[in-house]
This record gives sequence, C-alpha cells and structure tokens, in this order.
Amino acid sequence: DSGVTQTPKHLITATGQRVTLRCSPRSGDLSVYWYQQSLDQGLQFLIQYYNGEERAKGNILERFSAQQFPDLHSELNLSSLELGDSALYFCASSVVAGAEAFFGQGTRLTVV
Amino acid sequence: DAKTTQPNSMESNEEEPVHLPCNHSTISGTDYIHWYRQLPSQGPEYVIHGLTSNVNNRMASLAIAEDRKSSTLILHRATLRDAAVYYCILWTGGGADGLTFGKGTHLIIQP
Repeated sequence: DSGVTQTPKHLITATGQRVTLRCSPRSGDLSVYWYQQSLDQGLQFLIQYYNGEERAKGNILERFSAQQFPDLHSELNLSSLELGDSALYFCASSVVAGAEAFFGQGTRLTVV
Repeated sequence: DAKTTQPNSMESNEEEPVHLPCNHSTISGTDYIHWYRQLPSQGPEYVIHGLTSNVNNRMASLAIAEDRKSSTLILHRATLRDAAVYYCILWTGGGADGLTFGKGTHLIIQP
C-alpha cells in the first residue's frame, strides 16, 4: 500500500461528458502529480500541484483541469470527453520534487 | 529534458542477481537518479533513488558511476514478482516538473 488513494477505481462514461477523479496523497506529502497512461502514449505527466498551487504543467489538454484543496487532496476534472481520453489516470505524491514519489492504483476511465 | 537510455528488455533466472543498466550522459548536478517499476495493471512503484553515492534499501541497490553518466539497478535475488517494466528517470531536486517516463526495461524472470 503506497498510502496514495484514488477514487473511483473504474469509470465508464459517454463522449461529451465530464468526470472528476479524486486523489488523497500520502500523509505529509505536499506535492501531487497527475499522470495519464494509454497504450500508445505510455505514462505522460499532466500537472503538478504543490501545497495548493499549480507548480508545473506537462501534456495536459485544455479540456482537463485540476486543483489541490487546503487538506491537500486533489481532483482532476476531464470535460468534453472523447474516445481517445480512455486511459489509466494515476496520481502520485511526494514531499518535494526529487524525493521519492508514491503512486496510487489509478482510475481506469473508459469513454464510450 | 534530461534523458535516459535503457535496454528494451532483459531476461534473468529466478533467485539470481539482476543488473539493470541506465545511461544518462546529459545529467546535471541537481538531477536525482530515480528507479520505478510497474507491474501489469498496477501503478508505478518507487524502487530507489540517489544523487551521487551508491544506495541500498530493502528492495534493491543503486550503483552510480563516478561521473554520474550511468547507473545500475541491482536486484540481489530476483523472484517472479520482480517481473515488471523498470524505469530509470532523472528528476531535478526541488524542481517544478513531474517524472518523465520513457519506455523502460521489460524484465522477464524465468523460473
């Protein structure tokens, strides 16, 4: 158990819809990272939050957004969903960038 | 971006040591060398990381070349559970960025 909790584990939704994925980081970790893993793209970094503020953006689409709340949990919002957004979405947390990062078990999103 | 080069796949026998190589010739002074592994249908799992000196933990050892341009992850006694994709990643300490995953090394363990 990595200590990082992601919900839900599975999500099936239709094209055009909006979903919210939730992540609770390990106790004491201030940084939260979101990743997308699809068969053709591998693991891609989406966005980083540190202590409530956006710190870095990776390959995140404009239809996607995230936030980190005062209790340090984070949500990833995916809107206007397309078939190609079907993927595994992982959340990770670390004390700071460069320290060990711990990943959740992921949310499997299927867009139909 | 600092990049790493790993073999696509490696094969080893159960209960034998495994040495997974990684080249990172463009490493900078603030880059930590991280190793993660991913088992099928699971999230990536932290294995070990280091900056300049060799590191040991309960899972593995990390041997870092003196010039830091290469490193080796050592699994001392492989088990079937160690079959996974292993990623070697450079991550800037205190930086504003996530981990950049490459294709990694697919480690196959033969019983």
